[in-house]
Amino acid sequence: DAKTTQPNSMESNEEEPVHLPCNHSTISGTDYIHWYRQLPSQGPEYVIHGLTSNVNNRMASLAIAEDRKSSTLILHRATLRDAAVYYCILRTPSQGAQKLVFGQGTRLTINP
Amino acid sequence: SQTIHQWPATLVQPVGSPLSLECTVEGTSNPNLYWYRQAAGRGLQLLFYSVGIGQISSEVPQNLSASRPQDRQFILSSKKLLLSDSGFYLCAWGPGLAAYNEQFFGPGTRLTVL
Repeated sequence: DAKTTQPNSMESNEEEPVHLPCNHSTISGTDYIHWYRQLPSQGPEYVIHGLTSNVNNRMASLAIAEDRKSSTLILHRATLRDAAVYYCILRTPSQGAQKLVFGQGTRLTINP
Repeated sequence: SQTIHQWPATLVQPVGSPLSLECTVEGTSNPNLYWYRQAAGRGLQLLFYSVGIGQISSEVPQNLSASRPQDRQFILSSKKLLLSDSGFYLCAWGPGLAAYNEQFFGPGTRLTVL
């Protein structure tokens, strides 16, 4: 999988928007951008994915740069439950079997 | 809807003892199945994956093994545990081979080897 770079940690306040950045300058044209999060003492949870266009779902929005070298996960109104480690992962079609390669992620702290 | 179960939730085992962790998936057929491990303070590492009954691929050489005796059952085993086998073991399933497919993780088993 192509490499991603994320800040080690970020902090935000409850009920405010959160923008989590991810750089993936070596992304190929067919790589999908996936985001997962892991709450304390739980397994990872799928959040969202995209290829070229911005994506929205009930959990978050994904904004993808026009050159696809970076993306931003947007939590529109953070709650305390959103405190977790967020992983940005690139998925390569040629790999097969959906292997996910987790980096260190961004630890998000939400202040009440 | 699909659900994934893992048991036990926690396990404390002595060095040299055997291990068997079980994972089952409900509500889907022919899933891809995965075992990951997360050591304390570290990221997730893929250990094994399976695309069908009896088909196991190993990602990391170690004293662990995996088996898939039924379509929706995935078992992680060891004949003799090492201290370094301690960690958080996660089973996951995925619906297909495409790069846009998600993976869905179980609640995990926290293993402590003493």
